[in-house]
Amino acid sequence: QKEVEQDPGPLSVPEGAIVSLNCTYSNSAFQYFMWYRQYSRKGPELLMYTYSSGNKEDGRFTAQVDKSSKYISLFIRDSQPSDSATYLCAMSGGDYKLSFGAGTTVTVRA
Amino acid sequence: DAGVTQSPTHLIKTRGQQVTLRCSPISGHKSVSWYQQVLGQGPQFIFQYYEKEERGRGNFPDRFSARQFPNYSSELNVNALLLGDSALYLCASSDYKGDEQYFGPGTRLTVT
Repeated sequence: QKEVEQDPGPLSVPEGAIVSLNCTYSNSAFQYFMWYRQYSRKGPELLMYTYSSGNKEDGRFTAQVDKSSKYISLFIRDSQPSDSATYLCAMSGGDYKLSFGAGTTVTVRA
Repeated sequence: DAGVTQSPTHLIKTRGQQVTLRCSPISGHKSVSWYQQVLGQGPQFIFQYYEKEERGRGNFPDRFSARQFPNYSSELNVNALLLGDSALYLCASSDYKGDEQYFGPGTRLTVT
């Protein structure tokens, strides 16, 4: 079993829809949780960073962490074609090593 | 402010050869991490360096080595290249905390 599980999709939504992404994990030591966006053949871009259970909002993005269920989510409101990318969840137990999910490919249709 | 830079952008090597990849962190960041990303997968942790000391190593063979210089830039070396080493090699920069990591554009290595 992988430490971090993420549905690879692909996920296709119309412009303006809410995109919902999630990851589950098995390692109870994970304390820090991140979401990255990666465009094709580019490096990952950090979108959200959080270390506590609950919600964190930044513009159109909301990250949600439920440590009791070992489940994290990312919501993108009012999605735009420019949001079309692969979204990676990542987490760390404070040992500076990030463990990533496989990534979910999202396409926002104009 | 410049982000993380990596060089070269792309290179092609033959099996058995050696390769050196380079990374410069964000100004003020003292920690550099290296990851390997195979097509269709998430990045896999290789190394982290902080203040020129190795702070962590992933599950990679000894053919992989790295170092960090006094100016906090870093090199990743891979010896005796195998076809399976073909991947995007990513460098990430962070401050002393280490977990909030910012990635460079990557070096795409193709081994033939």
